[in-house]
Formats: sequence, structure tokens, C-alpha cells
Amino acid sequence: SSELTQDPAVSVALGQTVRITCQGDSLRSYYASWYQQKPGQAPVLVIYGKNNRPSGIPDRFSGSSSGNTASLTITGAQAEDEADYYCNSRDSSGNHYWVFGGGTKLTVL
Amino acid sequence: QVQLQESGPGLVKPSETLSLTCAVSGYSISSGYYWGWIRQPPGKGLEWIGSIYHSGSTYYNPSLKSRVTISVDTSKNQFSLKLSSVTAADTAVYYCARLWDTMIVVAFDIWGQGTMVTVSS
Repeated sequence: SSELTQDPAVSVALGQTVRITCQGDSLRSYYASWYQQKPGQAPVLVIYGKNNRPSGIPDRFSGSSSGNTASLTITGAQAEDEADYYCNSRDSSGNHYWVFGGGTKLTVL
Repeated sequence: QVQLQESGPGLVKPSETLSLTCAVSGYSISSGYYWGWIRQPPGKGLEWIGSIYHSGSTYYNPSLKSRVTISVDTSKNQFSLKLSSVTAADTAVYYCARLWDTMIVVAFDIWGQGTMVTVSS
């Protein structure tokens, strides 16, 4: 079982804002990173650290954190944002052990 | 730019050892970072298998630790995964990735395209 918990599915109307959350004890100590995965493709890093986007990631993607919950927000969701999203961090013990959330399927209506 | 490419057999028999290699281009493994393996069974989520630091220190998922070995060959700029005693439950897409870990910030920032491995007789 994953130490990071995500809602299995979330939907958003085209152009609206959606928040995808990730809960876990380790998030009190470590930032989460977020990955977008489209069918048949490798995951792509979209957010890391406090709120950093790799080159090429649109600025409609943002990250935040509070307590044991990390959030990925998409402001003005586009059809191409429909994908699976995974969070990732170290485990709560702080050992060299990395975990992924179970993933959230985002549907853009 | 940094690129990772997995290679290895796409079909492995039950009880045998799965062996994959990740070739890294555009960056010297010995220069830094962790390097990791992640897998994804069909229709399921991502599972971290293990990571190796550029110095050679290894770290494994406790649920797989007894069966996993990750090694690095700096002369070839590649790292490898061996998973022994495989069963059908090990059928998955296997990804290699570069791991950036500063103790507070963690990110698998570059991924290979993935390789499908099926365990079947």
C-alpha cells in the first residue's frame, strides 16, 4: 500500500480550475513532486519543490503544500491536461526510500 | 540533453531473473545524482523499485529488497536492474529515471521511455 494517498479520479470542466491532492506524513518534512502521465507514455515531471516547474511546463500548473497535504492546481484546464497524475516524495521515516501516490485520473469535460 | 534508454528482454520465464539496462547519454553518471528504477503493472500505478547513488550506494524498496540488485557501470555510463525469482506479478512497464534528491526536494526529473516486460512461460 502507498504511503501517499490520492483521490482515484477527479473531473474538471474545460477552462476551469482543478486541485489534485496528495496526503501523507512524509509531506510534513518533504516537498512532493508531481508527474503527468498520458496513455502509453512515460511520466513527465510537472512540479517539484515548493512550487517549481521544469522548462516547458505551462504556468497553469502550480503546486502548494500545507501540513500533510500537497496539492497540484491546474488553472484553466485544457483538453490536453487529461491524464493520470502522481505525487512522489520520500517515505515518512526519511530513509532512502521513495514512494509514489496511487495516482489520480483527471478527466476534462 | 540528458536521455535515458532502457533495454532488455521483453519476455522472462517464471522463476528466472529479469535483467534490464539503462543507458544514459548527455550526462556522466559518476558526476552525481541518484539513478532509479520504477515499474508500472498494466493498468496500475507507479512503484519505486530501487535507486543507486553515483557513488554506488544502493537503496531498495523493502517489499522487493530480497530479489533486487541495482548496479552501475560508469565506464559504459549505464546502470542495471536484476530482479530474481520473477512471477506474473512482476509483469510491468519498467522505467529508469534520474532522481534529484536534496533531502527536502525530491524529483525524478528525467525518465526513459519504458520497456514492457512480461513474465510468462
